[in-house]
Amino acid sequence: KAGVTQTPRYLIKTRGQQVTLSCSPISGHRSVSWYQQTPGQGLQFLFEYFSETQRNKGNFPGRFSGRQFSNSRSEMNVSTLELGDSALYLCASTPRGVTGRTGELFFGEGSRLTVL
Amino acid sequence: SQQGEEDPQALSIQEGENATMNCSYKTSINNLQWYRQNSGRGLVHLILIRSNEREKHSGRLRVTLDTSKKSSSLLITASRAADTASYFCATDDKLIFGTGTRLQVFP
Repeated sequence: KAGVTQTPRYLIKTRGQQVTLSCSPISGHRSVSWYQQTPGQGLQFLFEYFSETQRNKGNFPGRFSGRQFSNSRSEMNVSTLELGDSALYLCASTPRGVTGRTGELFFGEGSRLTVL
Repeated sequence: SQQGEEDPQALSIQEGENATMNCSYKTSINNLQWYRQNSGRGLVHLILIRSNEREKHSGRLRVTLDTSKKSSSLLITASRAADTASYFCATDDKLIFGTGTRLQVFP
């Protein structure tokens, strides 16, 4: 079974631009979560999607958005990039059932965004 | 603020020694998980302990959970250079992670 795939792995943008990151979960996994990791703030939860619906959201500004498609693939978008958005963005999937119980998360290798 | 907070922030030991790292959390949980992250890579799940369990083993890993103190500890026995990584705890509430413990194991 293929793992969680994130694209692109590396990208460089300039302030004010926008970026879209993609995440393909493990086949059969319906929940996808996104995290931002920076040296100063550690690993912070952005949002979680389940069956195309945002189920949980972290404390990030509205510039950060996401969506999930019917095949469970997910994208996140950051608009009007700021220098502080430079980070490793991690996606994780889980075969989370309708009961909402959280089990093991399976992470991708991340997309490293540098904002100049 | 983060739900899971790891302690210490950094730990350096020699191969063969044991490494212990701790995690504290704020609210009631159903389970707590530990993950490992090699530099710049994705996280890998190590072990999950449920709120009704006090101790769990997996190979060289031993995890304890004290719900009265809202804390957990991860013990890695007979450490190896390959154990060098950052270790994170995460609770089931939105899977909020802490800043991690950076473990360096010297050969």
